[in-house]
Amino acid sequence: SQTIHQWPATLVQPVGSPLSLECTVEGTSNPNLYWYRQAAGRGLQLLFYSVGIGQISSEVPQNLSASRPQDRQFILSSKKLLLSDSGFYLCAWTHPRGNTEAFFGQGTRLTVV
Amino acid sequence: EDQVTQSPEALRLQEGESSSLNCSYTVSGLRGLFWYRQDPGKGPEFLFTLYSAGEEKEKERLKATLTKKESFLHITAPKPEDSATYLCAVQAYRVTGGGNKLTFGTGTQLKVEL
Repeated sequence: SQTIHQWPATLVQPVGSPLSLECTVEGTSNPNLYWYRQAAGRGLQLLFYSVGIGQISSEVPQNLSASRPQDRQFILSSKKLLLSDSGFYLCAWTHPRGNTEAFFGQGTRLTVV
Repeated sequence: EDQVTQSPEALRLQEGESSSLNCSYTVSGLRGLFWYRQDPGKGPEFLFTLYSAGEEKEKERLKATLTKKESFLHITAPKPEDSATYLCAVQAYRVTGGGNKLTFGTGTQLKVEL
């Protein structure tokens, strides 16, 4: 069966510090991968998605970037965090075709202080 | 642009008091409509996918239905453990690109009390 791992679960970082969040998927090949952000009381906002190694699409302009160095690894990064980067970050995957429901990791609560 | 609106924002029920959550959507060619359950501090948990108007799916006390403009999540005789935020999302057909991405509503926060 497929599983998705996301870490760390919580993170407190000072303004101006770098960020690296990692997500890995097991049990499937060539998944589509996604990074979402969920602000308090708001819906999930899609930040990036990837349909293959090295292929990244950005949905909104922001202080973050994403990379996919391996087929089942997705990384969310920032060189200098802003207070507005605080939020709940979720990684997800879908099959590249066929059943298209998304499966989510457990999330990372990021607080920028 | 795909849009999803969920109502009510919050709902408080007594145990056993059935009700429905609404998800209204606009999308250029619906590929699928999805319902998720999200517990505090956790990632969303997949519940149902609906593909075409008239389709229904059931799981325990939950039943999801779909029309051309909206979906309902019916909760029959809820229990306190059904308390969670319920999210609705849509996926559109795209000729190229898009990567099966989902557009989410802001959710309905359900509280079921004894």
